[in-house]
Amino acid sequence: DAKTTQPNSMESNEEEPVHLPCNHSTISGTDYIHWYRQLPSQGPEYVIHGLTSNVNNRMASLAIAEDRKSSTLILHRATLRDAAVYYCILRDVLPQRTKYIFGTGTRLKVLA
Amino acid sequence: ETGVTQSPTHLIKTRGQQVTLRCSSQSGHNTVSWYQQALGQGPQFIFQYYREEENGRGNFPPRFSGLQFPNYSSELNVNALELDDSALYLCASSSYRTRPYEQYFGPGTRLTVT
Repeated sequence: DAKTTQPNSMESNEEEPVHLPCNHSTISGTDYIHWYRQLPSQGPEYVIHGLTSNVNNRMASLAIAEDRKSSTLILHRATLRDAAVYYCILRDVLPQRTKYIFGTGTRLKVLA
Repeated sequence: ETGVTQSPTHLIKTRGQQVTLRCSSQSGHNTVSWYQQALGQGPQFIFQYYREEENGRGNFPPRFSGLQFPNYSSELNVNALELDDSALYLCASSSYRTRPYEQYFGPGTRLTVT
């Protein structure tokens, strides 16, 4: 199974952009890249996903390297409510191979 | 719109016993996934069910089994409980056709095995 590697923790000042990196050097052609975040005492929450092209939504942007071996989640303006553990996940979508491989996660601390 | 609910919230079992955890999917969702999250770790994928059939499985032994019912609710059964099974068990639902990538997680069931 392809795996992801993330830094254990990162800090950011409020209102500043945050770039959360993820390495997935063994990614396969059928793996989508997903990002979820988990706030304290809650289940994970979907943030964004992509396959090859960069993606934007109301929560964040996802930048995917051309060789797909790494990606970066970008929070454009961090707020205190963004403090959470961010997980980079690979999802294989072939029939009977659907599985979600969560990484170790990056704990983001936002400083006021 | 009703969110994902799980029961019970907390559970204490003895090693060797069997346990059943329950999950009700969000309205309109037909896919359910189960995860195990040990303290301080990321969620580990157990399996996914779609149309009452298993649609993918993680690296968990056969004593972890599941069911999905016609109303898309689901059960996770664990036999012969071991101490290492102590964890938060999360259920997530999604719509396979429209937005399969967006899972909605429940609050989880905290299982303690003594």
